[in-house]
Amino acid sequence: GAVVSQHPSRVICKSGTSVKIECRSLDFQATTMFWYRQFPKQSLMLMATSNEGSKATYEQGVEKDKFLINHASLTLSTLTVTSAHPEDSSFYICSAETSDSSYEQYFGPGTRLTVT
Amino acid sequence: TQLLEQSPQFLSIQEGENLTVYCNSSSVFSSLQWYRQEPGEGPVLLVTVVTGGEVKKLKRLTFQFGDARKDSSLHITAAQTGDTGLYLCAGAGGSEKLVFGKGTKLTVNP
Repeated sequence: GAVVSQHPSRVICKSGTSVKIECRSLDFQATTMFWYRQFPKQSLMLMATSNEGSKATYEQGVEKDKFLINHASLTLSTLTVTSAHPEDSSFYICSAETSDSSYEQYFGPGTRLTVT
Repeated sequence: TQLLEQSPQFLSIQEGENLTVYCNSSSVFSSLQWYRQEPGEGPVLLVTVVTGGEVKKLKRLTFQFGDARKDSSLHITAAQTGDTGLYLCAGAGGSEKLVFGKGTKLTVNP
């Protein structure tokens, strides 16, 4: 149980275009999902907390107009990187929190974004 | 700001050796999770510890939560090459957001 999928796993896009990444909880409902960014050989950096049916909460320094998050259902959250630039190239990982109070997060397999 | 310090940052050992990874903080956490991440993949949850002093075993892995719930350790007995990966500890401080340590990159050589 507690499986989270991400799509796509890898994407290459040109500078100035937008890219949408999907995060799905496959066998459980997640009222809260999280989006992280991870640079090579570094730990995870939380970008935003996504709550179903409400606006996402962004961490300090994360541009909400650049990283659009939509959590339209209890099993799907999307992250759209708008007007992507090479510096946005990174490994983006989502996680979903189970509905109990353990604060356990289950992670997706990640999406490698390369902006050329 | 809650911080989790992990040590060592890098660890390279031979197959069959034992090792311990530490996760320390000056803050109290309501729970602490350990994850293992392999290159190009998302972290996989190994264990959650909740009670101060709690010890959990997962085959050759032993996890301990400090009595004051400020620190934790992960001990691996007779390491195998399949244990290679990035080990991350993450603490929950009462909110839904997890605080992650910087990770310990473990390499087990054959």
